[in-house]
Amino acid sequence: DAGVTQSPTHLIKTRGQQVTLRCSPKSGHDTVSWYQQALGQGPQFIFQYYEEEERQRGNFPDRFSGHQFPNYSSELNVNALLLGDSALYLCASSLGDRGTDYGYTFGSGTRLTVV
Amino acid sequence: EDQVTQSPEALRLQEGESSSLNCSYTVSGLRGLFWYRQDPGKGPEFLFTLYSAGEEKEKERLKATLTKKESFLHITAPKPEDSATYLCAVQDHFGNEKLTFGTGTRLTIIP
Repeated sequence: DAGVTQSPTHLIKTRGQQVTLRCSPKSGHDTVSWYQQALGQGPQFIFQYYEEEERQRGNFPDRFSGHQFPNYSSELNVNALLLGDSALYLCASSLGDRGTDYGYTFGSGTRLTVV
Repeated sequence: EDQVTQSPEALRLQEGESSSLNCSYTVSGLRGLFWYRQDPGKGPEFLFTLYSAGEEKEKERLKATLTKKESFLHITAPKPEDSATYLCAVQDHFGNEKLTFGTGTRLTIIP
C-alpha cells in the first residue's frame, strides 16, 4: 500500500522564479494538505484541498497557490520565489475529515532551495 | 491563535533511561492533540491523537498523556531506534483542519 508520494525530492531555484511541487495521496485518501517546514522548525500549514477546492488556508501570501485533480493528487505552486521560501515542503493526506482520528499521513517532502 | 511550545529542545539519554517530553498548548476549543515522530529527511509519522484531559494512549515504549494545558510523551527504557524528533500539534474545533505544530524535541538515545 503506497503512502504519500512527493516529487521532486530536491529542487534548486533562483530567486524570482516559479516552482511546482507534486503530491500523490495515500491510496484511499481524498484530502490533501500542504505544509512548509523551515530548518529546525515545526511544519506550518499552507492550505488544504478537498473535492478539488481549497477548503482552508493558512497565513501564506497569494504567491502560494494550489490545485487538486480529480484523482485526488495535488500541486503546490509558488511564484516569485524568495530566499525565505527555502524549506522542506510536506504533503499530508487523509480521508475526508478522519485525519483527526486516524492521523494525517505525510510524505517525505520536497526540499526546496532558493539561491 | 493556537500555540504549541515543546520542551526541552533536545534531550540525550542513555539506552534504558526513561524520561518525558513536554508539550504546552493554547487552543480555543481542543479538537485533538497529536504526537508525531520525524526522522531526518523524512515526513512526520503519526503516533497518537488525544482528545480530552485525562486521556492516555500507549504504543510500545511510548505513552502520551493529556491535561487541559499540556501533554507529556513518556518514553520508557528507550532504545537507540527511538532517536528522532518528536513533534506535538493541536487542532481546534472551529471547522479548522490545520494542525499547529511545535518546534519539536530532538531525542538522542545513546547505546
